[in-house]
Amino acid sequence: EPEVTQTPSHQVTQMGQEVILRCVPISNHLYFYWYRQILGQKVEFLVSFYNNEISEKSEIFDDQFSVERPDGSNFTLKIRSTKLEDSAMYFCASSEQGSYNSPLHFGNGTRLTVT
Amino acid sequence: GESVGLHLPTLSVQEGDNSIINCAYSNSASDYFIWYKQESGKGPQFIIDIRSNMDKRQGQRVTVLLNKTVKHLSLQIAATQPGDSAVYFCAGPMEKLTFGTGTRLTIIP
Repeated sequence: EPEVTQTPSHQVTQMGQEVILRCVPISNHLYFYWYRQILGQKVEFLVSFYNNEISEKSEIFDDQFSVERPDGSNFTLKIRSTKLEDSAMYFCASSEQGSYNSPLHFGNGTRLTVT
Repeated sequence: GESVGLHLPTLSVQEGDNSIINCAYSNSASDYFIWYKQESGKGPQFIIDIRSNMDKRQGQRVTVLLNKTVKHLSLQIAATQPGDSAVYFCAGPMEKLTFGTGTRLTIIP
């Protein structure tokens, strides 16, 4: 069964550094998402992406965050200057249609630790 | 405002018994619902979905029931196994893609 893959599984970075989290969505999916989950808390929506542009974003997704689909297969999340509070699991997801009509399929996440 | 939430934060079930996890929603216009599970250390995993033109949908060992009159959704897991231990979330399309806190299902051997 096709799946969403994320790399790396664990990323450790120093405060103020830039990080790029990578995702390969399911190949025939058109909608892409990033979520995060701080340890012990809810899964929080960050951003959705369709047709090469952001379709929705949350208040968490400020100017320090950006997303890109640099080619036909990858979907990336960049954090420009990491803060301690950015430490979390980051999940990428994709869906065949939008979230109003089809389920999201999630990767197993990248654990980001900011020191 | 719109909300989809879960009734109980935790549920413990004997292995082999059936589990029922409940969810309520507030927006009558919601027409698509999805159940996810999240095992420890993993991403949310799609289990089953249902559209509002249906009352019931069955998958492998799982059944989702939708009661539009009382705006209630339930997930039934038959013959619960240790591998069913996870946090279960319901989600609806009007929820701005947000998840609630979920119900943690614990299987008692």
